[in-house]
This record gives sequence, structure tokens and C-alpha cells, in this order.
Amino acid sequence: QQQVKQSPQSLIVQKGGISIINCAYENTAFDYFPWYQQFPGKGPALLIAIRPDVSEKKEGRFTISFNKSAKQFSLHIMDSQPGDSATYFCAASKGSSWGKLQFGAGTQVVVTP
Amino acid sequence: NAGVTQTPKFRILKIGQSMTLQCTQDMNHNYMYWYRQDPGMGLKLIYYSVGAGITDKGEVPNGYNVSRSTTEDFPLRLELAAPSQTSVYFCASRAQGAQETQYFGPGTRLLVL
Repeated sequence: QQQVKQSPQSLIVQKGGISIINCAYENTAFDYFPWYQQFPGKGPALLIAIRPDVSEKKEGRFTISFNKSAKQFSLHIMDSQPGDSATYFCAASKGSSWGKLQFGAGTQVVVTP
Repeated sequence: NAGVTQTPKFRILKIGQSMTLQCTQDMNHNYMYWYRQDPGMGLKLIYYSVGAGITDKGEVPNGYNVSRSTTEDFPLRLELAAPSQTSVYFCASRAQGAQETQYFGPGTRLLVL
């Protein structure tokens, strides 16, 4: 059973547009929520992460929005670029779990020129 | 630093054969992980280790074994390969401490026929 549910499975956005990926979780013990970016043939790489004591974190064109009461968090990619075309995974972990990550199923993002 | 390295990059196995996937990290990380990635399923944790000599099962350990004799190396052993083990395997490492980043290797693509 997927502990972290991610949607949509895929999305296509025009260059300059906004990409939005959503994730939901059930386990209220989760206290760390990273997003990973994966290019074809490569391993995932950390993009941005948030803890539940803040509602938003921004790094460049990437923003995480976090809603603790709804147990949801989302990734917004502003001014999307063709180089952002990749698969994005949300994940969650709890401090007592030796860093073990529960991953969402992934979202394939395609940015058209 | 090379980071996390994995060998081989690609392998074809026949049903019933065995093999070892190699993983090495040069960041002196205590924590190491093995994941498998199947299309549309995200990454699933197979085994993890919190230090040399200490390993534990993850979410999908059946059909696999691991060992951790040194801080640097964390090999994954497949015994009696089955078609269900066709997947892409990623090794990751992380420093000890809360919410540290997991660094992933480039992956090993395994096909069992």
C-alpha cells in the first residue's frame, strides 16, 4: 500500500507555464518531505525539501507548499523550462526511521518549447 | 568525490542465476540503502544499513540479501533470479543525522529472462 500518494502521473506544460504536482500522506509521524528529480538513465537527486513546521519553502523557481492539517504537500515549478522535463518524486520520512524514505509513484513532466 | 557508484550498469540474467550488484560510496556515510524502481511504482526500499555490520529489511526484501563489511561498500545479492526481479536498482547513501540528504547512484538495470 502506497503510504504517499502522488498525482498526476504525468503532465505536459508549455515553456513559461507552471507545473503543479500534489502528494498526500497518512502517517502523521512523518516529519521530513523531500522532492527528488530524476532524468532518464540517472539516479534521483534531491531538489528541495520541507519540514512540517513551515508552510512554504522556495528555492529559485521551485516551491513546496505544505498543508499539515490536510496532510498534503505540493511542488510548484514556476516559469517551467524544457530542461525541467524529468520525473519528480515526492517522499516522506520520520525521524525515528533511520532515514528510510517512502516515495510517491512519480510524475513525468514534459515541458514543450 | 565520485559519490555513489554502482556496477554493473546493465545485466541480463537467466531465471535461476545469481548475481551481486555492487555499490560503493566515498562520502564516509553511515547509512546506505537499496531501492528498486518499477514503472509507475516509485522506489521501494529493499534493504538498508546504518553502519558496518548492521543491516535490516526494507519493504520488499524477499529474494535479496545484503552485507555491510565496510563503511564504503553495500553489495546486494540476488539468489535464484526470477522475472519479477526485472527492475532498475538504485543504491543510496546518507550521512547520520536528522533529515540528511540521500545521495543516489546511477542505477543498475537488470533484466531476468
